[in-house]
This record gives sequence, structure tokens and C-alpha cells, in this order.
Amino acid sequence: AIQLTQSPSSLSASVGDRVTITCRASQGISGALAWYQQKPGKAPKLLIYDASSLESGVPSRFSGSKSGTDFTLTISSLQPEDFATYYCQQYNNYPFTFGPGTKVDI
Amino acid sequence: EVQLVESGGGLIQPGGSLRLSCAASGFTFSKYWMHWVRQAAGEGLEWVSRVNSDGSSTNYADSVKGRFTVSRDNTNNTLYLQMNSLRAEDTAVYYCARDRGGVTLHWGQGILVTVSS
Repeated sequence: AIQLTQSPSSLSASVGDRVTITCRASQGISGALAWYQQKPGKAPKLLIYDASSLESGVPSRFSGSKSGTDFTLTISSLQPEDFATYYCQQYNNYPFTFGPGTKVDI
Repeated sequence: EVQLVESGGGLIQPGGSLRLSCAASGFTFSKYWMHWVRQAAGEGLEWVSRVNSDGSSTNYADSVKGRFTVSRDNTNNTLYLQMNSLRAEDTAVYYCARDRGGVTLHWGQGILVTVSS
């Protein structure tokens, strides 16, 4: 199975900060990577798909990019509601896999 | 409005079996692939399984292969997860989710399965 590693595992930031989270795949997955946001007690919310496509209704401060097997989620200006855990997921090969998550504390 | 409602969870002894259901509404269920994803308390997300639109093709995580079976009833708009030979490490909240090209946009509220003696 394809392994996804995320860094950092957690971070503390302030409102207005630019935040970058990285996800590395153990092998090539083309652009089949998604980013999800999850708040405590809630189901995950899709933010980005196909590595860099913004899901409808998601604020434009969220963006994604790809370089080889490295993927990045960027929040350009952190807002209080962005306190959450962020997961990457590959859907290029079965079994699909999620990264371990990055917890963002405001 | 897309709605996914899981049911069938609860406390089960190790080695036991349980069947989860996911009732779908608000969309044409028979046209969509569906997934199960789980999350142990305080842990990350784990993809479990997916089934194609007519139920003829399935995939599983290595951790559940041979023990879990995903199926669907398109007449009654219901997704199932049959879980056999349950282990303590299967304890988690189980979500059903609707597929869109491999990603999951719509999720249920989740149902807790606890495997313990």
C-alpha cells in the first residue's frame, strides 16, 4: 500500500499567518491527492482534490500544489475557524490511504 | 440534500460479527460508488472499503480484507458493511461516504463500533 507522511504533525500559528502542510507519498500517485479538514466530533470536509483543485464553496485562502511525490496544502491567511486537523488522501491506487494528519492550533 | 445515515453499531465481543447499514437519500444512490472510512478515538482516518455503483466490484484495506464485506441494495438505497471476526483494533467510528472520482464529498455522521469483552 502507498504510504503518506505528513509534516509537521502539529503546529501552532496565529490569525493571519501563512501555513504550509506537506504530504509525501511513498511512490508516484500522479495528481490523485486530496486534502480534508476535520474538526472535533465532525466528519471530514473536502478542501482540495486532484492535488490543486479547490472544492466548490471552500475559501480561496486554501490552495494545493504538487512537486513530484510531494504535495502541499497552503492556507494563505489563517482564520480562527481554520483550527482543525488536516489529512491528505491518495486515491491513485487501492487501497486508498490517508496521511496521519496535521493538527493546527490557533 | 444528500443524506447518509449510518446504523447498526454498538458493543460487540472480540470474534463477533456486526453489520453496519448506511441509508442514503437526496441523490440517485445507484449511480454512485460508495466508501466506508473509520476513525479510532483520538486517531486519524483509515479508509476501509469501497463498492462500485452496481455492487460488482469492491476493494478493501489490508487490515480488514477477508473479514469485512461491503455490499449495497440499490432498490432500498442502502449500503452495508458486514464485519466478521472483529478485533479490539476495529473499535472506531465508522463513516459511510459518497464517492466523486475517488474523493469523498458527502459523509454520514458516523456510527461507533466498540469491540470489547
